[in-house]
Amino acid sequence: DADVTQTPRNRITKTGKRIMLECSQTKGHDRMYWYRQDPGLGLRLIYYSFDVKDINKGEISDGYSVSRQAQAKFSLSLESAIPNQTALYFCATSDGAEEKLFFGSGTQLSVL
Amino acid sequence: QQPVQSPQAVILREGEDAVINCSSSKALYSVHWYRQKHGEAPVFLMILLKGGEQKGHEKISASFNEKKQQSSLYLTASQLSYSGTYFCGPGRTDSWGKLQFGAGTQVVVTP
Repeated sequence: DADVTQTPRNRITKTGKRIMLECSQTKGHDRMYWYRQDPGLGLRLIYYSFDVKDINKGEISDGYSVSRQAQAKFSLSLESAIPNQTALYFCATSDGAEEKLFFGSGTQLSVL
Repeated sequence: QQPVQSPQAVILREGEDAVINCSSSKALYSVHWYRQKHGEAPVFLMILLKGGEQKGHEKISASFNEKKQQSSLYLTASQLSYSGTYFCGPGRTDSWGKLQFGAGTQVVVTP
């Protein structure tokens, strides 16, 4: 079983819809991250959480919100999806020591 | 601020060598390198620690010059399996606790 699981793997939605991407982990890490990947732009940080009560904005948080329901779960929501949020989204965890990141398999989101 | 990687892309024949550079405008305590194969998630390759310590993976090695805030990744005697996109990033969270990556260098190794 994967250590970092993202659901769904693919999602197609329409402009204006609210959607949620979910991430769960079995690694026991406190730190969790959401990144989006666009061609030519690499990985950009949306939100990160160092523990259940500590949630912080990344460099591109506008239009997104997150919820850390438990140490193992970190969800990303798009309040009102727009086409330029079409991207590949990755959840990641780290142990806070060397900050080595472990990524989920990604969610390909398309907003029409 | 995103670390700057160069080149953006490189095409190699099997057995050839290549160097990927990563530079930061912010002080780096350490540097991480990741590789992402097409259609897959990024995978951690190695960490470079302050003081120049290198930890290699396969025939891939790296260096870290903390004074110049630069790191270089060396692909030696490249294999087909080296194909993918390589990302550098600050190994330790900076003062804002963010882990920001470079835009990536696409490496294609051909037979």
